[in-house]
Amino acid sequence: QVQLVQSGAEVKKPGASVKVSCKVSGYTLSELPRHWVRQAPGKGLEWLGGFDPEDGETIYAQKFQGRVTMTEDTSIDTAYMELSSLSSEDTAVYYCATDILTNLAFDIWGQGTMVTVSS
Amino acid sequence: SYELTQPPSVSVSPGQTASITCSGDKLGDKFVCWYQQKPGQSPVVIIYEDTKRPSGIPERFSGSNSGNTATLTISGTQAIDEADYYCHAWDGTTVVVFGGGTKLTVL
Repeated sequence: QVQLVQSGAEVKKPGASVKVSCKVSGYTLSELPRHWVRQAPGKGLEWLGGFDPEDGETIYAQKFQGRVTMTEDTSIDTAYMELSSLSSEDTAVYYCATDILTNLAFDIWGQGTMVTVSS
Repeated sequence: SYELTQPPSVSVSPGQTASITCSGDKLGDKFVCWYQQKPGQSPVVIIYEDTKRPSGIPERFSGSNSGNTATLTISGTQAIDEADYYCHAWDGTTVVVFGGGTKLTVL
């Protein structure tokens, strides 16, 4: 059974970077398609990007290109999402998710990580 | 960039049928999925590939997709169905698009 467990809440100052982790269990990390989605308070879901294990490519949403980096450490089965040059508009809950079961729908989600950007 | 449009809110009486739409250019040519999200919780997929229900999702949830509109239908709506609902499609094979979300109120 695939599970995604994310790191805890973060508070950052404007201009800083944040790195959120997503620990994977029940599946081989390098073979797991995974995505990052965020949700600002009271707002909708927004996709930041994702990794496709079939071609090994990471695709970033155009809005975040140059500011987001998705990486992994297979030795500890953990995926990471780093977002730089933070502003108050980046205050949101950040989720990792996978479509491993249904292929095209995010069927397993992490619990979410609250990132607050405040001076 | 591709966009999906949902009504901000839908209201329904208990036991009645609720319909939530998701519109996009030639959306019927893409696979659509739907998520339910309750306050403080992660989203849960309730429909994928337009019409399929994951294991454990009640039969009262159904989906359709044709032309420019996908529709989530909830038959015999219950109070526990009150939540936010999001549609999701892929623009090409790699870019994910979400609708803006619809708040379902069960009056």
